[in-house]
Amino acid sequence: DQQVKQNSPSLSVQEGRISILNCDYTNSMFDYFLWYKKYPAEGPTFLISISSIKDKNEDGRFTVFLNKSAKHLSLHIVPSQPGDSAVYFCAAPLRDTDKLIFGTGTRLQVFP
Amino acid sequence: KAGVTQTPRYLIKTRGQQVTLSCSPISGHRSVSWYQQTPGQGLQFLFEYFSETQRNKGNFPGRFSGRQFSNSRSEMNVSTLELGDSALYLCASSLTGLSSGNTIYFGEGSWLTVV
Repeated sequence: DQQVKQNSPSLSVQEGRISILNCDYTNSMFDYFLWYKKYPAEGPTFLISISSIKDKNEDGRFTVFLNKSAKHLSLHIVPSQPGDSAVYFCAAPLRDTDKLIFGTGTRLQVFP
Repeated sequence: KAGVTQTPRYLIKTRGQQVTLSCSPISGHRSVSWYQQTPGQGLQFLFEYFSETQRNKGNFPGRFSGRQFSNSRSEMNVSTLELGDSALYLCASSLTGLSSGNTIYFGEGSWLTVV
């Protein structure tokens, strides 16, 4: 049972435009969510997180929006840069555990 | 401040052998967790250690084991290797664990190929 889903395996965006990466979840027991960026052959790098009591968190070019009623979150990157090209994972810790549940990832390609 | 360090970065083993991977967490971090990444299954949680005790365990067979030392460094071991164990093994650390609301930070991983 995939509790965290990223339904778009890939996304292609022009440099300077906005990238929107989506994530859906089925478990109401998640208290916060995290986004990670991953380059091939490297470990995931933490980008930004959001608590389930908030609906928006912003850090520089990255903004995460949470819609609890729809069980949906999205990561906005604006403006997109070629260096943003990577695989992006949304993840959520299972409540009262130290287990992080990952989505399947979305490969973002930013072209000039 | 140094990040999470994993060794070795790359290794090749033969079916039936065993392997030990090592992880040094960020200084001051006491929680260490391990994840496996494969193309088919994505990123999956293996186990988590805190103060030398395993607190959480994922759905992996008993061939996968780990331990944590008093200095918070951790090792994971896979015995009787199978071809399907070929994967990127990632170690992550946090101050006291996700259940405390901490963020976890990943190392660069150890690429294991089983032939």
